[in-house]
Amino acid sequence: GQQLNQSPQSMFIQEGEDVSMNCTSSSIFNTWLWYKQDPGEGPVLLIALYKAGELTSNGRLTAQFGITRKDSFLNISASIPSDVGIYFCAGQLAGANSKLTFGKGITLSVRP
Amino acid sequence: DADVTQTPRNRITKTGKRIMLECSQTKGHDRMYWYRQDPGLGLRLIYYSFDVKDINKGEISDGYSVSRQAQAKFSLSLESAIPNQTALYFCATSDPRTSGNTIYFGEGSWLTVV
Repeated sequence: GQQLNQSPQSMFIQEGEDVSMNCTSSSIFNTWLWYKQDPGEGPVLLIALYKAGELTSNGRLTAQFGITRKDSFLNISASIPSDVGIYFCAGQLAGANSKLTFGKGITLSVRP
Repeated sequence: DADVTQTPRNRITKTGKRIMLECSQTKGHDRMYWYRQDPGLGLRLIYYSFDVKDINKGEISDGYSVSRQAQAKFSLSLESAIPNQTALYFCATSDPRTSGNTIYFGEGSWLTVV
């Protein structure tokens, strides 16, 4: 099946720094989603992208749908301690019944 | 109150025992899913259902079964639990008609098989 590649598995940054994560695939996706999972919680949607080249912001978060439709990027600016968590990308192929494929996630740690 | 509710939130069970995880939703979504999360492996789909009469296997359905009792309820069963089924399990819902491709997750159920 389709695979989404997220690496590295963990990232450690200093509070106030910006951080960028990317997600790549060998398949072309119609939709890219970014989720965040706080410790002890279920993943929550951060940003949804529906068109190649689309750039969308949600507060300090910005995500882009890659032009090739095989990748997506999430940027977090001016990180704060509550940004800690696991960030998952997810992609969906064309078709109403196509399921989401999730990346393995990146665990972000923010040092005060 | 959570829109997607899972019970139990935590369970320890013995090898060979039958265990059921239940999920109910108040979102009115037709589609429901069960995922399993293991460290370093992300979220893997176990089973999914697009409506009450529809059940489909996901990536890792072996050792699991599901029941879609109603639009709002989707339960996951382990008929004979084994230690490598120790994981965090998530129920999720979606509805393309109202929320596109977004999947909404419950809060998770920790299952430990000893």
